[in-house]
Amino acid sequence: AQTVTQSQPEMSVQEAETVTLSCTYDTSESDYYLFWYKQPPSRQMILVIRQEAYKQQNATENRFSVNFQKAAKSFSLKISDSQLGDAAMYFCAYRSAGHNNNDMRFGAGTRLTVKP
Amino acid sequence: NAGVTQTPKFQVLKTGQSMTLQCAQDMNHEYMSWYRQDPGMGLRLIHYSVGAGITDQGEVPNGYNVSRSTTEDFPLRLLSAAPSQTSVYFCASKPGLVDKTQYFGPGTRLLVL
Repeated sequence: AQTVTQSQPEMSVQEAETVTLSCTYDTSESDYYLFWYKQPPSRQMILVIRQEAYKQQNATENRFSVNFQKAAKSFSLKISDSQLGDAAMYFCAYRSAGHNNNDMRFGAGTRLTVKP
Repeated sequence: NAGVTQTPKFQVLKTGQSMTLQCAQDMNHEYMSWYRQDPGMGLRLIHYSVGAGITDQGEVPNGYNVSRSTTEDFPLRLLSAAPSQTSVYFCASKPGLVDKTQYFGPGTRLLVL
């Protein structure tokens, strides 16, 4: 089964600076999707960014970008110009692209603190 | 659209009690799912449904039942609550099984004593 590992339980960044959250995964599949979700204190899960494994180009959404290294099975999230509202738990997730495979696997999360 | 709604927000149960966690979505999504979130373990899939009348098990289905009588609603039932079921429960939906993005509800915090 696929596993997702987030090796940083907690991270801290100064407001306006850049931080990178790490994620690695284990799979034998060649086609899949990767996601980063943000969970603020409200506990709602909010999709930040997603990446299709077949795309070589790294996904970008405003201040959020990823570094997708397929061979290394690494999927890090970079947050530029960090804002106080970025403080939250961040979860990395993996989902197979197979039509009959619904299995979505999440990492344990990284708690990001933003210092003013 | 209200999106995905869950009730209650918080519940305390005694061991052996039963209850139903409600989940509803108004986006006409075919696919709905339930996850539980435990400290240090991320989210784990409990059950999912690809449409009304169709349900299937996820990674951790034991102790939970689901049904899907309508497109909008996907309740999760605990027949005999156990302390191991203390967790935060998230309901999610997406248009179809192959859609990449899921929309999550705000969660239900359950404490089983």
